[in-house]
Amino acid sequence: DTEVTQTPKHLVMGMTNKKSLKCEQHMGHRAMYWYKQKAKKPPELMFVYSYEKLSINESVPSRFSPECPNSSLLNLHLHALQPEDSALYLCASSQVLREGDEKLFFGSGTQLSVL
Amino acid sequence: AQKVTQAQTEISVVEKEDVTLDCVYETRDTTYYLFWYKQPPSGELVFLIRRNSFDEQNEISGRYSWNFQKSTSSFNFTITASQVVDSAVYFCALSGLGETSGSRLTFGEGTQLTVNP
Repeated sequence: DTEVTQTPKHLVMGMTNKKSLKCEQHMGHRAMYWYKQKAKKPPELMFVYSYEKLSINESVPSRFSPECPNSSLLNLHLHALQPEDSALYLCASSQVLREGDEKLFFGSGTQLSVL
Repeated sequence: AQKVTQAQTEISVVEKEDVTLDCVYETRDTTYYLFWYKQPPSGELVFLIRRNSFDEQNEISGRYSWNFQKSTSSFNFTITASQVVDSAVYFCALSGLGETSGSRLTFGEGTQLTVNP
């Protein structure tokens, strides 16, 4: 199984809603990532978890709250988002190899629209 | 600071043509890693190749080939005999050794390749 599964595929939420994005992998990878991608732009790194501990937080606003309950699951909790947060949110995973040398496996993303 | 430049925003070719996607990078690291990813309309990024800075051998995988030239800081990608299924956005990316585990990739802006029948 070489898949990273993300749910839901599409999400529409209001600025006062609370929602969560979910990501799951069963490849035994110990690093998991959240990326944000705006249309016609490259992905931007948000968070990295390594061995279930947050190792990289790219100064993301607190309205985005990541959680890694176990080595296979990664969540992104959303609260009080702004319309400019509308984007494709991609989850990825990798083995933890030499730093920088990880091959990332990506999910197909959650397309988020904030109204 | 690291930077990846993909000067070609969009390329359009006819099926069976060869096409080269350019990638130029900047880094002060002596050890670094270069990647190409493909993003079809379905959204997920698909890993194509990884190359470290000490391995300048060119690589061929089927219709895909990569030309890594450290002297010009380039890592170009050629598709031979292109097919409609090759239509996608292609990203070149760079990663250096970090202080924390987990990869911090610097992506180029991407090249939208359209292969017409």
